[in-house]
Amino acid sequence: DQQVKQNSPSLSVQEGRISILNCDYTNSMFDYFLWYKKYPAEGPTFLISISSIKDKNEDGRFTVFLNKSAKHLSLHIVPSQPGDSAVYFCAASDDNQGGKLIFGQGTELSVKP
Amino acid sequence: DAGVIQSPRHEVTEMGQEVTLRCKPISGHNSLFWYRQTMMRGLELLIYFNNNVPIDDSGMPEDRFSAKMPNASFSTLKIQPSEPRDSAVYFCASSFGTRTEAFFGQGTRLTVV
Repeated sequence: DQQVKQNSPSLSVQEGRISILNCDYTNSMFDYFLWYKKYPAEGPTFLISISSIKDKNEDGRFTVFLNKSAKHLSLHIVPSQPGDSAVYFCAASDDNQGGKLIFGQGTELSVKP
Repeated sequence: DAGVIQSPRHEVTEMGQEVTLRCKPISGHNSLFWYRQTMMRGLELLIYFNNNVPIDDSGMPEDRFSAKMPNASFSTLKIQPSEPRDSAVYFCASSFGTRTEAFFGQGTRLTVV
């Protein structure tokens, strides 16, 4: 049972344009959401997070949006840069589960010059 | 701090052999996670510990997999006997508290031939 889903395995975007990565979840108990970025042969690194009490969090070029009613979150990268090319994972946790993070399958973003 | 340290980085073993993966979490962190990266399921949580105690091992594939955390600075994931379908990248991560990001090691790429 995949509680966190990223339905797009890959995304290709032109440099300077917006990248939008999507994530859906099924467990309504999730109350904290994160995005991670992963380069080949490296471990995932934390990018940005959002609590369920908010609907938007922004950090530089990265913005995460949360729609609790739709159980959907998205990551916007503006403007996209070639160095952003990586696999992006969304993750969710339930405060009652001791910080356990459940990840999606990942979306491979390719930003072309 | 050196971050989460995993060893070995690469492991090639023959089917039927025992494999032990090692992890040193970040000092002061009280949660430790073992994940397996696969194409189909993304980052799949195998087991997590809180204060050295296994809390949820429901993701462990079968009895061939076992994990221990004898103290706050060391954990092992053992596969015995190993099978070709166990070939994957295994990540260890640690965190402190809830509603916080987990920090990942660089992973162990396991190949079972």
